[in-house]
Amino acid sequence: EVQLVESGGGLVQPGRSLRLSCAASGFTFDDYAMHWVRQVPGKGLEWVSGITWNSGSVGYADSVKGRFTISRDNAKKSLYLQMNSLRVEDTALYYCARDRRFTAFDVFDIWGQGTMVTVSS
Amino acid sequence: EIVLTQSPGTLSLSPGERATLSCRASQSVSSSYLAWYRQKPGQAPRLLIYGASSRATGIPDRFSGSGSGTDFTLIISRLEPEDFAVYYCQQYGSSPLTFGGGTKVEIK
Repeated sequence: EVQLVESGGGLVQPGRSLRLSCAASGFTFDDYAMHWVRQVPGKGLEWVSGITWNSGSVGYADSVKGRFTISRDNAKKSLYLQMNSLRVEDTALYYCARDRRFTAFDVFDIWGQGTMVTVSS
Repeated sequence: EIVLTQSPGTLSLSPGERATLSCRASQSVSSSYLAWYRQKPGQAPRLLIYGASSRATGIPDRFSGSGSGTDFTLIISRLEPEDFAVYYCQQYGSSPLTFGGGTKVEIK
């Protein structure tokens, strides 16, 4: 079964850091680009960051550029999001999502169930 | 950044009826790189349409997409109970990737 399982969310104070992980199974992980997409509960979707299959190209939303870093370990079939200098407005459910392609950013054909990040003092 | 505006915000229809959802872009979406997703309550989104009109794997033919440039449409020909959900469009023609604000299809 194709599956993405996120972990690492939780409650964190403003200005602190958090690292999210996404474990992939059921498909050849290094055949696909991967992404993080977030959603404030009850609100819409926001693309956060993406990374191509070999980490050759990464992209970030302006709202997180310079604070968040995406990475992947193909041997471990895992995707990561290092989130630094967290803000209250980063509070959201963070989804890991598989891209339909491996070399460019495209559409998201497989999604995890998400991990909740709450930034509050 | 391409801004996507979805309308209407909410669509109230009955099962079996036809739903027409709109997604308008602030600038032309290159190569019709426009996708649609359905999100049921408490679930992750699911890809329905990519390339403006191609159905994703396993998506029934009651879903159809059309459009180009700045105007795109998703049509659900006959609403099934599982179709009452929120729908999002997404463009992938330029970075950053962006989503529309969503259209909620609710039971009338």
